[in-house]
Amino acid sequence: EAGVTQFPSHSVIEKGQTVTLRCDPISGHDNLYWYRRVMGKEIKFLLHFVKESKQDESGMPNNRFLAERTGGTYSTLKVQPAELEDSGVYFCASSQGFVETQYFGPGTRLLVL
Amino acid sequence: GDSVTQMEGPVTLSEEAFLTINCTYTATGYPSLFWYVQYPGEGLQLLLKATKADDKGSNKGFEATYRKETTSFHLEKGSVQVSDSAVYFCALTLSNYGGATNKLIFGTGTLLAVQP
Repeated sequence: EAGVTQFPSHSVIEKGQTVTLRCDPISGHDNLYWYRRVMGKEIKFLLHFVKESKQDESGMPNNRFLAERTGGTYSTLKVQPAELEDSGVYFCASSQGFVETQYFGPGTRLLVL
Repeated sequence: GDSVTQMEGPVTLSEEAFLTINCTYTATGYPSLFWYVQYPGEGLQLLLKATKADDKGSNKGFEATYRKETTSFHLEKGSVQVSDSAVYFCALTLSNYGGATNKLIFGTGTLLAVQP
């Protein structure tokens, strides 16, 4: 069974540009989560999808971040326009049930110059 | 608010040494507690978990006991190996309290380096 995959693994962009991160959850997992770790600090929750619906987006930092989950399968996280403080590692996780273990992807390392 | 505090690293040990990484938490209600590990170049992996007070989670020689009275979930291993070198994250979730989300709340991570 394939695990959670994320693309790209690394991205280097300039301030003001747009970047789109993609996450493919484990097949059959209705729950999909985005987290990020900035500057070696704690990993912080961004949002939670159940199928294609946003269950909780309380962690989204501002309206420059837009998350979608097409048809309840893969998800994208778009940052537009990117700022220096957006640099960090963005993790995606998925779980089958609401209270089940979350399985994480390898992360996307974003550097905004 | 709900939070997790874990000891800062890096922690450097010799092979076969005893490991303790401290973790304490603040939470409303009764959280589930987790240790995740991130090996170099890989994603986060669940190492162990405990869902109620006095539960002990264990895996790969690592153990942690859910201590409600001290709000702690310290990670221990009796004899570390070079292959245990990684970043360890303590985390909690309040999903078993009927919350609307199952989000994980993480500590800052502790880098463990084991030398041969």
